[in-house]
Amino acid sequence: DADVTQTPRNRITKTGKRIMLECSQTKGHDRMYWYRQDPGLGLRLIYYSFDVKDINKGEISDGYSVSRQAQAKFSLSLESAIPNQTALYFCATSRTENTEAFFGQGTRLTVV
Amino acid sequence: GQNIDQPTEMTATEGAIVQINCTYQTSGFNGLFWYQQHAGEAPTFLSYNVLDGLEEKGRFSSFLSRSKGYSYLLLKELQMKDSASYLCAVNDGNNRLAFGKGNQVVVIP
Repeated sequence: DADVTQTPRNRITKTGKRIMLECSQTKGHDRMYWYRQDPGLGLRLIYYSFDVKDINKGEISDGYSVSRQAQAKFSLSLESAIPNQTALYFCATSRTENTEAFFGQGTRLTVV
Repeated sequence: GQNIDQPTEMTATEGAIVQINCTYQTSGFNGLFWYQQHAGEAPTFLSYNVLDGLEEKGRFSSFLSRSKGYSYLLLKELQMKDSASYLCAVNDGNNRLAFGKGNQVVVIP
């Protein structure tokens, strides 16, 4: 089984709909992250969390919210999806800031 | 803001050596990572540098100069499976990783 699992893997949704992307990890790490990746723009940080009671905005948090339900679970929500949120979304986890991050397989989201 | 700069694409021949550069300007620095990402897949960790110098790991080596805000990843004995995007990421000292846009390496026979 994968260490970091994202669901769904692919999703097409309509403008204005609410959608949740889920992430769970079996690494036992406290730190979890959500990134989006767009062609030519690289990976950009949306939100991150260092434990269950900790939520922090990244560089592009507008239009997104997150929930850290447990150490192993970190979900990303788009309250009202818009087409420019079409992207590849990655969840990641790391033990500390100086150790490697483990990424999920990604969720390809298309907003039409 | 953070600025991580990488060239966008390069082509190299199987068996050759390729060097991928990364320059950075960040508000702080607490280590630099290199990741490999095949198209449509998750990034996977290659190397980590926090002190100046060269770190060698099999066919891959990574170099860091903190005074110059510069790192490179060296890929030796290129194989077809090395065709991928290589991402440079800097820990900005505020517990966040800032990624560059990635360098696409295409390996040809």
